[in-house]
Amino acid sequence: DAKTTQPTSMDCAEGRAANLPCNHSTISGNEYVYWYRQIHSQGPQYIIHGLKNNETNEMASLIITEDRKSSTLILPHATLRDTAVYYCIVRVGSAGNKLTFGGGTRVLVKP
Amino acid sequence: GAVVSQHPSWVICKSGTSVKIECRSLDFQATTMFWYRQFPKQSLMLMATSNEGSKATYEQGVEKDKFLINHASLTLSTLTVTSAHPEDSSFYICSARDSRLAGGLAEQYFGPGTRLTVT
Repeated sequence: DAKTTQPTSMDCAEGRAANLPCNHSTISGNEYVYWYRQIHSQGPQYIIHGLKNNETNEMASLIITEDRKSSTLILPHATLRDTAVYYCIVRVGSAGNKLTFGGGTRVLVKP
Repeated sequence: GAVVSQHPSWVICKSGTSVKIECRSLDFQATTMFWYRQFPKQSLMLMATSNEGSKATYEQGVEKDKFLINHASLTLSTLTVTSAHPEDSSFYICSARDSRLAGGLAEQYFGPGTRLTVT
């Protein structure tokens, strides 16, 4: 699976959009981009995933560049409860495929 | 969304004893479950892939005789830490994916984790 690079940490203001970047320049054509987050002392929570089209759900939006070498997770209106470590993972979308977690981005939402 | 539970949520045991952690998929069946370990301020590290009805697949560097995995049914996988030592103290997290969803694109659902402290 392709490696990802994320900033170690970032702060954002409550109520504002949070834009979390992820670089995956070695991504293969059959690899998907997944985002998970982990709130302190809890198990990770699935957020969203995509292949090449932009995706949106009730939690977030995922913007993938045309060359697929990077993506951005957007939390439209950050709340204090969005404070967590956010993980960007790329992997082949086949059954049973494991997730490999990198360091993630520690996001602190401030009032 | 799908729910994965773990039991116990935390456990304290004495060095040399064994501890069993259960992972259950509550509203779906999972032929594959995964076990992770997380040390403080570090990321999750995959320990093994648990396959229903067959042997688990361990990641490099994980001792299969120390971390026994049993996946006896489509909704239950157990991890037993045998002869635990203080260095085994960690946050253990399992995950599962819904077997019924086609194409393998189904996201993994994670349990809440089990905090093990070995004294």
